[in-house]
Amino acid sequence: DAGVIQSPRHEVTEMGQEVTLRCKPISGHNSLFWYRQTMMRGLELLIYFNNNVPIDDSGMPEDRFSAKMPNASFSTLKIQPSEPRDSAVYFCASSPREGRNEKLFFGSGTQLSVL
Amino acid sequence: GDSVTQMEGPVTLSEEAFLTINCTYTATGYPSLFWYVQYPGEGLQLLLKATKADDKGSNKGFEATYRKETTSFHLEKGSVQVSDSAVYFCALSGTGGFKTIFGAGTRLFVKA
Repeated sequence: DAGVIQSPRHEVTEMGQEVTLRCKPISGHNSLFWYRQTMMRGLELLIYFNNNVPIDDSGMPEDRFSAKMPNASFSTLKIQPSEPRDSAVYFCASSPREGRNEKLFFGSGTQLSVL
Repeated sequence: GDSVTQMEGPVTLSEEAFLTINCTYTATGYPSLFWYVQYPGEGLQLLLKATKADDKGSNKGFEATYRKETTSFHLEKGSVQVSDSAVYFCALSGTGGFKTIFGAGTRLFVKA
């Protein structure tokens, strides 16, 4: 199994530019999560999907952030326009199903730097 | 809201020392509890979990017991190795729609 695949691994962009992060969950997994990791705030849940439907987006910081899951094998997180304070590592994770006992499988993350 | 509190790091130990990383939680209902580990440049991976009170999760010499009376899930290992150097995250799930909430993480350095 290839695991959760994220792209790109690193992204450097200038303030005001649009940034799109991509995620391919593990085949057969029904739940997908986007997390942001910073030194100051730790690991924050941004949004999660179940069966391609957004269930909880209360962690999305503001309207500049949007996430989609058009099918079971692909999700995007978009920031438009980007700001320096968006610099962080963004992780995608998936789990086989929605449930309290389910473990998360994480991708390797996208290191985003906004200059 | 639900939350997880971990001891601040970094924790620095010599090889073969005993490890304890404290974790307490606040949650409505009865969450499942997890420890995840993150090695440099990688995503988190599950280390162990416990799904109900008094359960003990264990893996690779690490253990943690779900203590409902003290709302705690402390991570322990009897003899650490250099290869255990990583960041350890305590987490809970199962309240408020199955999302997993993480603690701030505790960095562990093990010296040879």
